[in-house]
Amino acid sequence: GAGVSQSPSNKVTEKGKDVELRCDPISGHTALYWYRQSLGQGLEFLIYFQGNSAPDKSGLPSDRFSAERTGGSVSTLTIQRTQQEDSAVYLCASTVGQGAEAFFGQGTRLTVV
Amino acid sequence: GENVEQHPSTLSVQEGDSAVIKCTYSDSASNYFPWYKQELGKGPQLIIDIRSNVGEKKDQRIAVTLNKTAKHFSLHITETQPEDSAVYFCAVRMDSSYKLIFGSGTRLLVRP
Repeated sequence: GAGVSQSPSNKVTEKGKDVELRCDPISGHTALYWYRQSLGQGLEFLIYFQGNSAPDKSGLPSDRFSAERTGGSVSTLTIQRTQQEDSAVYLCASTVGQGAEAFFGQGTRLTVV
Repeated sequence: GENVEQHPSTLSVQEGDSAVIKCTYSDSASNYFPWYKQELGKGPQLIIDIRSNVGEKKDQRIAVTLNKTAKHFSLHITETQPEDSAVYFCAVRMDSSYKLIFGSGTRLLVRP
């Protein structure tokens, strides 16, 4: 596709369940970010992947959060044992390389009930 | 670490008037300053950016100014239109880093 694609666009889950969020970056983009946007707030950095380098996981809020990027393309963000405070919009962005313009997907709105 | 403050949190202007949003940052090593526009239900989209070797940049009705000494930069929108209504985010990044640090956002409402 022409842009960053995220799925699902909306996800409602029960507290305690695990969820997986998917990001398809722009073809050829080597760098990928995950951000979290809570209601009315700015974007909180979660994790960064660049090529084959070890990811920067410094923004992950707890060990319930993990992410992987398979084959240098698609990425999944997994949240285990979801809590209500995990409710937010999760945004993915990709860039052609470090320091380049970041293109964002439309986000996944996660609601934990 | 870097800290970015953005003001105001909400801004309401009459169509045709100008709008100004300001951001301050803490790390003098920051040298890339983009502005993003986020419409309802969509991801942020880059509208303009500036690097530290430039003091001002314009693109039609949008301009960004940077004061590196004072560590602040501003977004200026002239001749505002209802379709400018959205949430605007500033961000900063250092060349040595890939991490974009975002401000808390400004909700702009342009009244017809």
